[in-house]
Amino acid sequence: GAVVSQHPSRVICKSGTSVKIECRSLDFQATTMFWYRQFPKQSLMLMATSNEGSKATYEQGVEKDKFLINHASLTLSTLTVTSAHPEDSSFYICSFGGQGATGYTFGSGTRLTVV
Amino acid sequence: KQEVTQIPAALSVPEGENLVLNCSFTDSAIYNLQWFRQDPGKGLTSLLLIQSSQREQTSGRLNASLDKSSGRSTLYIAASQPGDSATYLCASPLSGNTPLVFGKGTRLSVIA
Repeated sequence: GAVVSQHPSRVICKSGTSVKIECRSLDFQATTMFWYRQFPKQSLMLMATSNEGSKATYEQGVEKDKFLINHASLTLSTLTVTSAHPEDSSFYICSFGGQGATGYTFGSGTRLTVV
Repeated sequence: KQEVTQIPAALSVPEGENLVLNCSFTDSAIYNLQWFRQDPGKGLTSLLLIQSSQREQTSGRLNASLDKSSGRSTLYIAASQPGDSATYLCASPLSGNTPLVFGKGTRLSVIA
């Protein structure tokens, strides 16, 4: 149990375009989920926390107008990187909140490269 | 504010060796502690979850312990194999639905 599907796994886009990353829980529901970003050889950095049906809470330094989070249901959340720049190139990972005995479950990550 | 530290940052061992990875945290009132494995370019795979009321959890060759009073957790890997090579992360939330606070990880290399 506790499976999270994240896609795409890898995307290359041109500077100035937008990219949408989808994260879906397959066998459970969760009201809270988290989006992280990871630069090479660094640990995960929390970008935002979202609760189903309400606006996301962004960490300091993360632009809410650039990283749009939609958490419309208990099983689906999307992260849209708008007007992407090369410095947005990173590994993005989603996680659904603590699920009791199974803990936190993460997606497989999306490698974004902006050229 | 919870802070999580992992030592060593990197570790290289020959195949077959038993090893211990260390994780320390500053706030002993943790909700739980979770160990993950991350392979290069991949997401996180949960290895073991220790609830606040537990002292250890075991899964196959892995054993994780939790000592809240000293603010420490260890991940013991028995009879290491090259396939165990990965980055190991420990993390803890402040409560049930708050973000995980991660250590920087230990990069393990098991040499055949």
